[in-house]
Amino acid sequence: GESVGLHLPTLSVQEGDNSIINCAYSNSASDYFIWYKQESGKGPQFIIDIRSNMDKRQGQRVTVLLNKTVKHLSLQIAATQPGDSAVYFCAEEANDMRFGAGTRLTVKP
Amino acid sequence: DGGITQSPKYLFRKEGQNVTLSCEQNLNHDAMYWYRQDPGQGLRLIYYSQIVNDFQKGDIAEGYSVSREKKESFPLTVTSAQKNPTAFYLCASGQGPLTYEQYFGPGTRLTVT
Repeated sequence: GESVGLHLPTLSVQEGDNSIINCAYSNSASDYFIWYKQESGKGPQFIIDIRSNMDKRQGQRVTVLLNKTVKHLSLQIAATQPGDSAVYFCAEEANDMRFGAGTRLTVKP
Repeated sequence: DGGITQSPKYLFRKEGQNVTLSCEQNLNHDAMYWYRQDPGQGLRLIYYSQIVNDFQKGDIAEGYSVSREKKESFPLTVTSAQKNPTAFYLCASGQGPLTYEQYFGPGTRLTVT
């Protein structure tokens, strides 16, 4: 069946460095993608989204890249801060929304 | 102050008891969703409702029930038939009828012993 997954379950970066979190998807019919941030014991928060007719979208300190050729999605966080420590997961929308398991980002001071 | 709320934050129940989790939103969203989150897994859809008085089963509806009598409210009942009810439950809402961006509540952690 179709699935959404992440390459790495954990990522540790130094404060101030850039972070890149990856996501692989397998449903070529997916036309909308979202990145969520989830802090411990809390609900997911929307970070940024991208539609399949785009390959890049930028927000405040975050950039999402979409490579439809290899079905790959990435989230780049610039100048990572301690407050960015959380689990990040992607979601894809085709006929319904499917969520990846997540990557835990830890920011070292 | 618009948003989506879930209560309680923590809930403890004995095995064999039914329990109802509350979800309320004042975002005027038509669609509401219930997900279950287990460690190391993505969110799994339990039930969803695209309009008042209507709801559909998600991927893991067995052992759960819902109602949608009001646009603002979408309570989830975890019944004694649910074999592994201990989990973190997340409610979400969206503008609908297509899912697109969903706004999540803070979640309820249910522990059944």
